[in-house]
Amino acid sequence: GAGVSQSPSNKVTEKGKDVELRCDPISGHTALYWYRQSLGQGLEFLIYFQGNSAPDKSGLPSDRFSAERTGGSVSTLTIQRTQQEDSAVYLCASSSRGGTNQETQYFGPGTRLLVL
Amino acid sequence: GENVEQHPSTLSVQEGDSAVIKCTYSDSASNYFPWYKQELGKGPQLIIDIRSNVGEKKDQRIAVTLNKTAKHFSLHITETQPEDSAVYFCAASSLTGGGNKLTFGTGTQLKVEL
Repeated sequence: GAGVSQSPSNKVTEKGKDVELRCDPISGHTALYWYRQSLGQGLEFLIYFQGNSAPDKSGLPSDRFSAERTGGSVSTLTIQRTQQEDSAVYLCASSSRGGTNQETQYFGPGTRLLVL
Repeated sequence: GENVEQHPSTLSVQEGDSAVIKCTYSDSASNYFPWYKQELGKGPQLIIDIRSNVGEKKDQRIAVTLNKTAKHFSLHITETQPEDSAVYFCAASSLTGGGNKLTFGTGTQLKVEL
């Protein structure tokens, strides 16, 4: 079956511009996570969705970062006024139930963002 | 919050040898520990996981051990093959904000040489 998909796969933008990154989770998965992976680093948690609600936004690095999820499916991560330090791979993951169920998180291929 | 340390950062082994990667975590409340393999240009893929009520788990050539008292867990790959070459990440899960947030180690670049 189809896995987690993300678009675009690569994005180059100029400093100060806004970008939108999209995630399509596995069909039926209620939990969705965004992580950021900087060059040579581990993955850093950004935000967690349960359905359309985001009970944990604690990893968003600044108010320039926001995310939404609609219809319990697609999620968009928006970065406003991008800075060079925002350059990273943004990864999305989904799991079937989320909450306190410690299930496998299935990752998408990521969006590689480069801010010039 | 949770902090996960992973060692070594790079590991080179001969084909057929074993590879061991070690992680430590700080939050005693963490109780789920997955391991992911990431190939170049791809997203991480789960290879094995362990929950805190189990001390060891094995799946063919891959095994994971967990020592809750010492707060460390390890990945063991036996009979390594060239296709095992990748970056491996350990992670620990803490249930905060109602979700299964993963805190990752910084990764181990494994190279299996012929």
